[in-house]
Amino acid sequence: EIVLTQSPGTLSLSPGERATLSCRASQSVGTYLAWYQHKPGQAPRLLIYNASNRATGIPARFSGSGSGTDFTLTINSLEPEDFTVYYCQQRSDWPWTFGQGTKVEIK
Amino acid sequence: QVQLQQSGPGLVKPSETLSLTCAVSGGSINSDYWSWIRQTPGKGLEWIGYIHYTGTTKHNPSLKSRVTMSVDTSKNLFSLKLTSVTAADTAVYYCASTTYYDASGSYFGCHQHWGQGTLVTVSS
Repeated sequence: EIVLTQSPGTLSLSPGERATLSCRASQSVGTYLAWYQHKPGQAPRLLIYNASNRATGIPARFSGSGSGTDFTLTINSLEPEDFTVYYCQQRSDWPWTFGQGTKVEIK
Repeated sequence: QVQLQQSGPGLVKPSETLSLTCAVSGGSINSDYWSWIRQTPGKGLEWIGYIHYTGTTKHNPSLKSRVTMSVDTSKNLFSLKLTSVTAADTAVYYCASTTYYDASGSYFGCHQHWGQGTLVTVSS
């Protein structure tokens, strides 16, 4: 199965700063990569699909890039509600897999 | 707007069967494939499998033959059974839609709508 490795495990930043999250795949997934935001006690929320496309209703401060094995989620000017956990997920090959998550915490 | 409502017991004894149901509202169960995903403390998010209203299923090989999924089109709901559970199956279980749709097209494997999650603890 394709292993997705996210880094860093935890990112400590202040509101207003930019967050850069990485997701690396053990083999190419093309652009079949999505990003989710997951707040405690809530269901995950789809942010980005196909590596770089924002899902409906997602603020423009969220952007994704990359292809093949290396992907990045960027959050420009962090808002207080953005401090939570983010997961990448590939749908290129069975079984679909998720990364282990990156926690964005308030510095 | 599609909404998913999960139901099922939060405590299951070891070696018994975990059973969860997900009711779909705001849309037809015939409109998509429907997935089960779980979050365990040790392994993070893990995709369990999906089912189509026709009965077509696909599941994670790591769960081998312990997974059974079914759909009830008359009630607009789908279900998960996981047999022979152990403590390692303790997790928050989510049901989810399996296709994201927007003006640019449809994207199979992107989970847009999710249930509220059910914490299932395996313990005697």
